Amino acid sequence: GEDVEQSLFLSVREGDSSVINCTYTDSSSTYLYWYKQEPGAGLQLLTYIFSNMDMKQDQRLTVLLNKKDKHLSLRIADTQTGDSAIYFCAESLTSGTYKYIFGTGTRLKVLA
Amino acid sequence: GAVVSQHPSWVICKSGTSVKIECRSLDFQATTMFWYRQFPKQSLMLMATSNEGSKATYEQGVEKDKFLINHASLTLSTLTVTSAHPEDSSFYICSARFPGTEAFFGQGTRLTVV
Repeated sequence: GEDVEQSLFLSVREGDSSVINCTYTDSSSTYLYWYKQEPGAGLQLLTYIFSNMDMKQDQRLTVLLNKKDKHLSLRIADTQTGDSAIYFCAESLTSGTYKYIFGTGTRLKVLA
Repeated sequence: GAVVSQHPSWVICKSGTSVKIECRSLDFQATTMFWYRQFPKQSLMLMATSNEGSKATYEQGVEKDKFLINHASLTLSTLTVTSAHPEDSSFYICSARFPGTEAFFGQGTRLTVV
C-alpha cells in the first residue's frame, strides 16, 4: 500500500541548517514534493523533484532523493524563525488519477 | 503559479445542518480536483477525487452520501457535508490540477460543528 512517513518534530537554532526526512513506499512515484503549512493555513509548495533526479537545489532549499532506499530529504540552509511551520512531503502516484499521498508532517521549530 | 480559491475560509454550523464548501480554480481549467481532510496535528487524508462531468471517486472509508462532491464545471467543485455532526469538524482542503501540472492547493476551510 501507499505509505509516507516523517519524523514528527524537529527543533533547530536560528542560522543552523534543518534537515527533514521522509520515507515512502510506492516506487512508481513520478514526482515528490515538499509543502509548508503555517498554522491555520493551506499548503504552500516549496519545491519538488522528479523521480529520476537525485538532487535539486533552490536557493536555501536542497532536496535529496535516494530512490533505492525510497528516502527523500529537505535541507533548509540558514534556518530562520519564519521557517517555523509544518512540512509535508508528498508523492504523486503514476496510476489512475495521479493523486497525492502525504506524509505525516514534521513540525519545525526554530529557536531564536 | 495557478490560484485555487476556497470559500468560505471558516464556517460554524449547527449539528444536523448541511454545509457547502466551494473550490475554484481562478486562472486555469481544472480537469481533476481533490478533496482532503486534516484533523488537528495530523496529515492530509484524501477523501475523494473528482473529474469534471463525472462522479467522484471516494477513498475507502469515506461516506459518499455524507460528503457530496460535485464537479460540474472545469473551474468549480463543491463539497457538501450533509447532516453535519461535531465529529465532522475539521480542516478541509481542496486541490486542482490539469494534465501535465502539479496540483495547486486552496487555502483550506475550517469547519466547526456545534
